[in-house]
Amino acid sequence: GQSLEQPSEVTAVEGAIVQINCTYQTSGFYGLSWYQQHDGGAPTFLSYNGLDGLEETGRFSSFLSRSDSYGYLLLQELQMKDSASYFCAVRDNYGQNFVFGPGTRLSVLP
Amino acid sequence: ETGVTQTPRHLVMGMTNKKSLKCEQHLGHNAMYWYKQSAKKPLELMFVYSLEERVENNSVPSRFSPECPNSSHLFLHLHTLQPEDSALYLCASSQETGSPYNEQFFGPGTRLTVL
Repeated sequence: GQSLEQPSEVTAVEGAIVQINCTYQTSGFYGLSWYQQHDGGAPTFLSYNGLDGLEETGRFSSFLSRSDSYGYLLLQELQMKDSASYFCAVRDNYGQNFVFGPGTRLSVLP
Repeated sequence: ETGVTQTPRHLVMGMTNKKSLKCEQHLGHNAMYWYKQSAKKPLELMFVYSLEERVENNSVPSRFSPECPNSSHLFLHLHTLQPEDSALYLCASSQETGSPYNEQFFGPGTRLTVL
């Protein structure tokens, strides 16, 4: 089967750094993406890793290790507005099938 | 502001009703998607259309029937639904399905309640 695992909840304070992990088991692999979804809102794209290593976009970075079937999203200098759910997603090699993780709810405290 | 719109935003229907969800993208994308988002469950990909042709159908019950008349519009026709079909239905679009990068842009969703 296809599955992705993420922690269900993470809590941190403003200004801190938090890492959200994602491990995956899929029939194929065509890249790992991360999406952010605020309560009542639509998911929005954050980052994509097709190759091993770190991708940095402002306060957010994403890492991939294909040999470990593992990736993470790193959020630095946390702000209250970062409180949201974060989803990892893998596109497997069969057509355009995307498999999403269950999501990690991040709560940023003052 | 999102370039993907969905109507209606909320829908309540009985199990014997027939209704349709509408999605429109203003981004010039070639691919469109339907997802189901239930509480406590991951986003589930239902259908994928590329250039108005269905390329993915993830074992979705036949009571859900998609339609893509052109690359800007996507419909999800609903009939004889069950209460467990109550969920948030999200539409998304992307530039093309062949690119691994394939950033998807999501609409705000339709909150469906089946009584």
